[in-house]
Amino acid sequence: AQKITQTQPGMFVQEKEAVTLDCTYDTSDQSYGLFWYKQPSSGEMIFLIYQGSYDEQNATEGRYSLNFQKARKSANLVISASQLGDSAMYFCAMRDYRNQGGKLIFGQGTELSVKP
Amino acid sequence: GAGVSQSPSNKVTEKGKDVELRCDPISGHTALYWYRQRLGQGLEFLIYFQGNSAPDKSGLPSDRFSAERTGESVSTLTIQRTQQEDSAVYLCASSPRGGYTEAFFGQGTRLTVV
Repeated sequence: AQKITQTQPGMFVQEKEAVTLDCTYDTSDQSYGLFWYKQPSSGEMIFLIYQGSYDEQNATEGRYSLNFQKARKSANLVISASQLGDSAMYFCAMRDYRNQGGKLIFGQGTELSVKP
Repeated sequence: GAGVSQSPSNKVTEKGKDVELRCDPISGHTALYWYRQRLGQGLEFLIYFQGNSAPDKSGLPSDRFSAERTGESVSTLTIQRTQQEDSAVYLCASSPRGGYTEAFFGQGTRLTVV
């Protein structure tokens, strides 16, 4: 069965520094996608970045990059030059395209606090 | 804009009553998801619709929960005989067929059972 694990319930980072949020996943399929979402205190879900299992290069979107290590089944999110507005919950998610027909499941999240 | 729309945004109901939550996905999106998010918790998968395929109901917590979708349009999540532990935000999301893109979320329905 699919499983997403985020082992850091809370993280602190100093403004302007980089931070890595951990995510490991478990699937028996070879075809899957990995996603990161941000959820600020307002509650909206904001898509950040996507990585396909067959993508050879790590995904990047502005200050966000995904450190994809397929053999380790990890998909860590790296936020560079943290800003106060980055304070939020961050969720890792996976969509398994074969076995689960595209069901999208989420980890428990990491609460990031950016200190001035 | 033509985003995912959920209604109502807030619902307060008495324990034991039935509630219906509505989700209007983005036009053309064949996949639709429902999630439950309790306060301070992650997103708990409830049910997934993909086009005309049989829905994946594996996340529904009890037979009090059910959901329907008409074709590739509106979906309703029904909770019968509500309990206090059903209090949560219920989030709906949709994505295009193929699924190699992100899911787009609605603003959620905050359900409070008193």
